[in-house]
Amino acid sequence: AQKITQTQPGMFVQEKEAVTLDCTYDTSDQSYGLFWYKQPSSGEMIFLIYQGSYDEQNATEGRYSLNFQKARKSANLVISASQLGDSAMYFCAMRERNSGNTPLVFGKGTRLSVIA
Amino acid sequence: DTAVSQTPKYLVTQMGNDKSIKCEQNLGHDTMYWYKQDSKKFLKIMFSYNNKELIINETVPNRFSPKSPDKAHLNLHINSLELGDSAVYFCASSPIDGQKYFGPGTRLTVT
Repeated sequence: AQKITQTQPGMFVQEKEAVTLDCTYDTSDQSYGLFWYKQPSSGEMIFLIYQGSYDEQNATEGRYSLNFQKARKSANLVISASQLGDSAMYFCAMRERNSGNTPLVFGKGTRLSVIA
Repeated sequence: DTAVSQTPKYLVTQMGNDKSIKCEQNLGHDTMYWYKQDSKKFLKIMFSYNNKELIINETVPNRFSPKSPDKAHLNLHINSLELGDSAVYFCASSPIDGQKYFGPGTRLTVT
């Protein structure tokens, strides 16, 4: 079974609008971490935001926020006020047992295109 | 001040050759990883090292041999390259608690 599911292979959003990228996860661990990474066309992996399973508040980093719904096992990324530079692949990832040694398991990604 | 660096950035080689990709991190992290990103952009863990010790090997063919000479370096050697090895290989490192820092990736093309 897939641990991380991103159901949107591609998304379009108008510049300055907000967009939500979906991510659901599957784990039986109580302690885990959820991450979002951005991969622009240049190829590097850029860390965006992190949510720990015990964090009560939704994580926010500038224009990025993570809509964490633990009971539904979802960790959607919300990008507000989209910019042309946000066009990229976005990956949701999970680290089970939330230890730094544990590798990330990635979803298949969502390609976001921002339209002027 | 590159945190995680990889060389080379691009590698084009023929089937059957042996090649190496080097990775270095200057963050003082204990744990380093190799991930493979295939042509469909799917990222998958290959190896994980903690303090020079192999802790995860995700059923990667034994043609792939990681080597960690010290905590700051994790190199990937690939023997007898096959067409299916063409991919982008990412090195990453992390502290005990925190995000993974990725290198810029090495695009390997096997012809």
